[in-house]
Amino acid sequence: LAKTTQPISMDSYEGQEVNITCSHNNIATNDYITWYQQFPSQGPRFIIQGYKTKVTNEVASLFIPADRKSSTLSLPRVSLSDTAVYYCLVSLDQGGKLIFGQGTELSVKP
Amino acid sequence: DTAVSQTPKYLVTQMGNDKSIKCEQNLGHDTMYWYKQDSKKFLKIMFSYNNKELIINETVPNRFSPKSPDKAHLNLHINSLELGDSAVYFCASSQRRDTGANVLTFGAGSRLTVL
Repeated sequence: LAKTTQPISMDSYEGQEVNITCSHNNIATNDYITWYQQFPSQGPRFIIQGYKTKVTNEVASLFIPADRKSSTLSLPRVSLSDTAVYYCLVSLDQGGKLIFGQGTELSVKP
Repeated sequence: DTAVSQTPKYLVTQMGNDKSIKCEQNLGHDTMYWYKQDSKKFLKIMFSYNNKELIINETVPNRFSPKSPDKAHLNLHINSLELGDSAVYFCASSQRRDTGANVLTFGAGSRLTVL
C-alpha cells in the first residue's frame, strides 16, 4: 500500500496562497490521490481528488506531476477558517483500504 | 439532515465496562467504516463493511466487535474497556463510483474516555 509523507505543520497568513506537498513514492498505477480537511471536533471532509496533471474545484487545486510520486494541494487566498488538519491519501480505484497519514496542521494567522 | 450520524458524541466510562457506539448513514452508501483517531491525530482504519458483510478487519483486539444490522447502520461494541481505548472513533461511509477512488463521508466522531 502506498504510504504518504506530509509536513507536520505549516503557518500562513490570511490572503496568502498555501501549498501543501505530499510524497507518495510507492504509488501504484490504479491509485488515486485524495485530500481531506479536518476541523477540530469534526470528522474529515473530502476536498479534492485526482489521478494526474491538475484538478481544480471551488475549494482548491491539486497538482500532480507526471511521475505521480508527489502531489500538491493549493489553497488560494486562505482565511482564518482554513485553519485545519489536511490529510493526503492514496487509494485504489473502486476499493482498497483508505489509509490516512499523519496530516498537516495548517495554522492561518491574521 | 445529518448524512452520517454517530451516538453518543461523548462517552466517559470506567475501565472494564462494556460500551457501544452507534452509526447510521442516510446517503444510501453501500460501504461503512470505523476509524480510530488517537491524540496524535492519526486516523487508523479498524473495520469496513460492504452491504452488511465484513470486508476489512484490521489488527484490532477481539474486544472490539462491529455489527451491521443493515447497510445503513454499523455499530461498534467494545468489551472490557482499557485506558488505551480512549480516543475519538469516527464512522464513515462511501459509495462505489464510476471512476476514481471511494470518497468517504465521516460522522462527527464519538469521543471515548476511559478512566
